[in-house]
This record gives sequence, structure tokens and C-alpha cells, in this order.
Amino acid sequence: AQSVSQHNHHVILSEAASLELGCNYSYGGTVNLFWYVQYPGQHLQLLLKYFSGDPLVKGIKGFEAEFIKSKFSFNLRKPSVQWSDTAEYFCAAASGGYQKVTFGTGTKLQVIP
Amino acid sequence: GAVVSQHPSWVICKSGTSVKIECRSLDFQATTMFWYRQFPKQSLMLMATSNEGSKATYEQGVEKDKFLINHASLTLSTLTVTSAHPEDSSFYICSARDNSGANVLTFGAGSRLTVL
Repeated sequence: AQSVSQHNHHVILSEAASLELGCNYSYGGTVNLFWYVQYPGQHLQLLLKYFSGDPLVKGIKGFEAEFIKSKFSFNLRKPSVQWSDTAEYFCAAASGGYQKVTFGTGTKLQVIP
Repeated sequence: GAVVSQHPSWVICKSGTSVKIECRSLDFQATTMFWYRQFPKQSLMLMATSNEGSKATYEQGVEKDKFLINHASLTLSTLTVTSAHPEDSSFYICSARDNSGANVLTFGAGSRLTVL
């Protein structure tokens, strides 16, 4: 069955620390990968996506993610986090046909000023 | 950018009543919309795929007679929770896929349902 797993449920960092959130997927065939962010009291927003091409994807607000096919991973990174990055981050995957998107359980990031 | 509006954002109802939640794509057309349910401290669970002009496709374990979905136009899908019970209390989120081929989902802000 298709699945997405996020291993970190709650991450606490100080401002300026580097961030890496893990995401692994279990999909056969072509896969599209996404990271969404949900700020407190707001709806889900797309941070970045990978469909094909360069496996290092750059998104908004300084975030990037790297698709490593051999590891079935799509980890999210940011070199220096800010207090405003406090939010919940969801990794998601869809088959090439993009009919259904499966979400991971989410990672709550808390950045301490 | 693409915007999806959900209404109402918060609804409280009595047990046994029905509640309708609307999902509208404001500046794009969406043949396909998706309805999710989010439990506290859990991820989004896909309930069904709403297809304009045809029947919705429900995920395993989701009662189609309880969660009625109608997608009558390219900009509107509705989810009706029929005969609601307290266990139906949850956060319901819709998303829409732009027909223009951008191939990403735009999410609504969600609707919090509380059944007393």
C-alpha cells in the first residue's frame, strides 16, 4: 500500500539552527512529492514539489528538499530557521497520475527565539 | 494565486441533524476536488475524490451514505454530513486541482464541525 512516513513528530530548534525533517515514501512507479506547511490558525500551503528533473528542489521561504530515489526519501531542509517558521509540516506523495495524495502524519516545528 | 474557499469555517450542530460544507474554487476551475478529514494530532485522511458531473469515489471505510458529496459545477463541491453524531466531530478540509494543468492542490482553510 502507498504510504508516507515522517519520523519526527515534534522538533524544537533555536533561531538560526539548521533544519532537516525526514520523509520516506512507499510507492511503486512514478511518484510526485510535496511538502506542505500549516501555520497556526491557517490552512495548508504548498512549500515545494518534485515531479521530475533536478532532485534538489527549492521552495518558498528558503526551504529546499532533496529527492533520493534509492532511499525513497524526500527530506526537507532549511539552513537557518526563524521564529516565523513555527508550524506543522506535512510531507505528501502522489502517484504519477496524481489522482490521490497521501499525507504523512506531520511534524510540528517549534522555533524558540 | 489559486484560492479555495470553504464555508462554514466553524459549525456546531445537534446530534441527528445534517450539515453541509461548501468548497469553492474562486479563480480557477476544478474538475476534481478532494475531501479530507483531520483528527487531532493526526494527518489528513482522504475521505473521497469529488468529480464534477459524476459520482464521488470514496476511500475504503468511508460511508458514502453518511458523507454525501455533490460536485455540480467546476467551482463547487459540497460535503453533507447526514445524521451527524458526536464521533463525526472533526476538521474537514477540501482541496481542488486546477484544470489548467498546474498539477498541484490548493487547500481550503477547513471547516471545524462540532456535534453536540
